Amino acid sequence: KAGVTQTPRYLIKTRGQQVTLSCSPISGHRSVSWYQQTPGQGLQFLFEYFSETQRNKGNFPGRFSGRQFSNSRSEMNVSTLELGDSALYLCASSSTSTVNTEAFFGQGTRLTVV
Amino acid sequence: DAKTTQPPSMDCAEGRAANLPCNHSTISGNEYVYWYRQIHSQGPQYIIHGLKNNETNEMASLIITEDRKSSTLILPHATLRDTAVYYCTSHNAGNMLTFGGGTRLMVKP
Repeated sequence: KAGVTQTPRYLIKTRGQQVTLSCSPISGHRSVSWYQQTPGQGLQFLFEYFSETQRNKGNFPGRFSGRQFSNSRSEMNVSTLELGDSALYLCASSSTSTVNTEAFFGQGTRLTVV
Repeated sequence: DAKTTQPPSMDCAEGRAANLPCNHSTISGNEYVYWYRQIHSQGPQYIIHGLKNNETNEMASLIITEDRKSSTLILPHATLRDTAVYYCTSHNAGNMLTFGGGTRLMVKP
């Protein structure tokens, strides 16, 4: 069974640009969550989608958005990039929405904003 | 979501048991305790989870205190490949994980 796939693995963007990151969950998983990891703030929850609906959102500005498609694949978008958006962006998928379900993480997309 | 507290770092000799503590005093009755680990620059890897009973799988054992305010992850025979940052967290119904700083475990030969 293929794991969670994130593309691209590495990305360099300029301040003010926008970026779209992609996540393909494990086959059959309907829940996709996104996290930002920085040395200063650690792992922080961005948002979670289940069956194309955003159910939870972390404390991030509106420049961060996401969506989920009918095949459960998800994208996140960051507009008007700032230097502080440089981070490892991680996607996780889960099979259900219950509290008794582990999350499987992808390898992440490392975004550098210059 | 429960806030978790872990020691920032620990050392363990190769072949010995590594016992990693976690305080989660604000955990609610229906929240499971989860442990993940992250090896340098990779995505976190699920290890084990439990509600109130002790759990064991092929990777580790999880001991949860009776009052559920703390837990201990046990790696019975640590190897160099177990060097990683270990996160204790809880998991709400919305699949939102709240990570603290984690414990950086260094397994030494």
